[in-house]
Amino acid sequence: DSGVTQTPKHLITATGQRVTLRCSPRSGDLSVYWYQQSLDQGLQFLIQYYNGEERAKGNILERFSAQQFPDLHSELNLSSLELGDSALYFCASSVGDRYNEKLFFGSGTQLSVL
Amino acid sequence: AQTVTQSQPEMSVQEAETVTLSCTYDTSESDYYLFWYKQPPSRQMILVIRQEAYKQQNATENRFSVNFQKAAKSFSLKISDSQLGDAAMYFCAYRSGYTGANSKLTFGKGITLSVRP
Repeated sequence: DSGVTQTPKHLITATGQRVTLRCSPRSGDLSVYWYQQSLDQGLQFLIQYYNGEERAKGNILERFSAQQFPDLHSELNLSSLELGDSALYFCASSVGDRYNEKLFFGSGTQLSVL
Repeated sequence: AQTVTQSQPEMSVQEAETVTLSCTYDTSESDYYLFWYKQPPSRQMILVIRQEAYKQQNATENRFSVNFQKAAKSFSLKISDSQLGDAAMYFCAYRSGYTGANSKLTFGKGITLSVRP
């Protein structure tokens, strides 16, 4: 168990809908990262938050947004969902945002858009 | 931008034998970290081994070791005495070593390793 909790584990929804994925980092970790894993794109970095502030942005669509709350949990909001958004979404956390720190991954949320 | 390439989509190994998974990367940076992650059917991403680019000595973790060739930008993973539990998808990943740089991980496409009993 990595200590990173993601909910829900599975999510099935329809095109055009909006969903929220939740991530609770390990106790004491200030950084949260979101990744998307799909068959065609592989593992893609979406966004990073550090202590409540956006630190880095990757290949995140404008229809997607995220935030990190004062208690350090993070939410990834996906709106106007398309079939191609079906993927496994990972959250990872680390103590800070230095390059030599280990990332601990959650078990992911499997999103299926029908 | 940094890229990570894993050209072998699948590999198979006999239980108790040794297997090597290949990875190459491209970067203009001199300070960085390289990782191998394992993703079993449970989907959990598990860190297998980590290598600092400034260290010449290859990292080793029990049955797992790497062959890090900085000039060739190659970073292969060797699994010795393969076990059934080693069957998983393995990802090679890169992370910049510069303070203030984006601390994200850049992953390769992954390789599926099967272990034959």
